[in-house]
Amino acid sequence: QVQLVESGGTVVQPGGSLGLSCAVSGFTFRDYAMHWVRQAPGKGLEWVSFISYHGRHKLYADSVKGRFTISRDNSKNTLSLQMNSLRLEDMGVYYCAKEGNAFDIWGQGTMVTVSS
Amino acid sequence: QPGLTQPPSVSKGLRQTATLTCTGNSNNVGNQGAAWLQQHQGHPPKLLSDRNNNRPSGISERLSASRSGNAASLTITGLQPEDEADYYCSAWDTSLSAWVFGGGTKLTVL
Repeated sequence: QVQLVESGGTVVQPGGSLGLSCAVSGFTFRDYAMHWVRQAPGKGLEWVSFISYHGRHKLYADSVKGRFTISRDNSKNTLSLQMNSLRLEDMGVYYCAKEGNAFDIWGQGTMVTVSS
Repeated sequence: QPGLTQPPSVSKGLRQTATLTCTGNSNNVGNQGAAWLQQHQGHPPKLLSDRNNNRPSGISERLSASRSGNAASLTITGLQPEDEADYYCSAWDTSLSAWVFGGGTKLTVL
């Protein structure tokens, strides 16, 4: 069945770096654009980044532009998010989501804690 | 400040009808439509309706989405206890070149 599994979340100090991964199975990954969406503790959803199916088109929320980098490896069915210069406000659950005329499939999320 | 505006909470009785609203502008909901997602506590969001107001396979027929101008709505009929959750709308914003979410509505079924 369709499955998105995020990994890489951990505790990191402010100013630190962290890489997240999303392993995809159950659909033809290379045919679909993908997103990262995050949710701070007790808060709503915030779109973070988008990557086109071929990886050539990338978009970022203003809050992460210049600090985060989205990428994908269609040969390994993997989506990634490299996060640098992390801030307290970056803390939360990070979800990868498939773009199929909406955020139609979501992973379970991985928790990123930014704390000194 | 979320890009789309949703009421923070809505309360309705069992088997009643709830209509959740989502207000945007001509750069997002008005010309791109809005998707609706449901999130139960401790779980990831689930798509209920895409930007064309279509329900994915497996989503109850008690749910229906619509749009009028810059506002989108999600109507849930015959409310059940399992409908108690947070509901989010989302849209592509052409002026921001970004996806935006509403702040979410907590639906309570009394």
